[in-house]
Amino acid sequence: DAGVTQSPTHLIKTRGQQVTLRCSPKSGHDTVSWYQQALGQGPQFIFQYYEEEERQRGNFPDRFSGHQFPNYSSELNVNALLLGDSALYLCASSSTAYNSPLHFGNGTRLTVT
Amino acid sequence: EDQVTQSPEALRLQEGESSSLNCSYTVSGLRGLFWYRQDPGKGPEFLFTLYSAGEEKEKERLKATLTKKESFLHITAPKPEDSATYLCAVQAGSNYQLIWGAGTKLIIKP
Repeated sequence: DAGVTQSPTHLIKTRGQQVTLRCSPKSGHDTVSWYQQALGQGPQFIFQYYEEEERQRGNFPDRFSGHQFPNYSSELNVNALLLGDSALYLCASSSTAYNSPLHFGNGTRLTVT
Repeated sequence: EDQVTQSPEALRLQEGESSSLNCSYTVSGLRGLFWYRQDPGKGPEFLFTLYSAGEEKEKERLKATLTKKESFLHITAPKPEDSATYLCAVQAGSNYQLIWGAGTKLIIKP
């Protein structure tokens, strides 16, 4: 049973560039959430996608956008990268069951220079 | 504002030395409190969900408990492989997002 898979695992970008991160949810899950985790901190919620729509958004600027495809996979796009965007980006999937726990991938480590 | 605070930030124990990690929370309308384990370079791994005060859940050497203001993760006779960062998160009200603490880094020395 494949869990949540994310690609790429590591990425180095320059300030001002754009990046796309990808996520395939765990089998049977239809909801995808994206989190940003700085070193030594807990994850911060970016947004959640369900039925190809953004269902809820955290306190992140419009430079952060996403998409969910009919097969439930998802992308996170970040435009005009800043040094402060350097972090571990985590994708988590869940089912629509009440309080269904999140299952995380191993993340994409983004470094902005 | 919803808030989650974990303590201590780091905890070093000898193998076999039992202890507890704390997660205190301030939220409106708790729907669930979640414990996760995170190893270096990996994503968080789900451990437990607790829904109401008085609830307890166990898994191997770990036991999680919940009161109206905090949760404890008790670790009994830990082994070096229990070394990890333990994260606590809450879901509240009509929110889909989880609010996370900063974690407790647990180191078990052989």
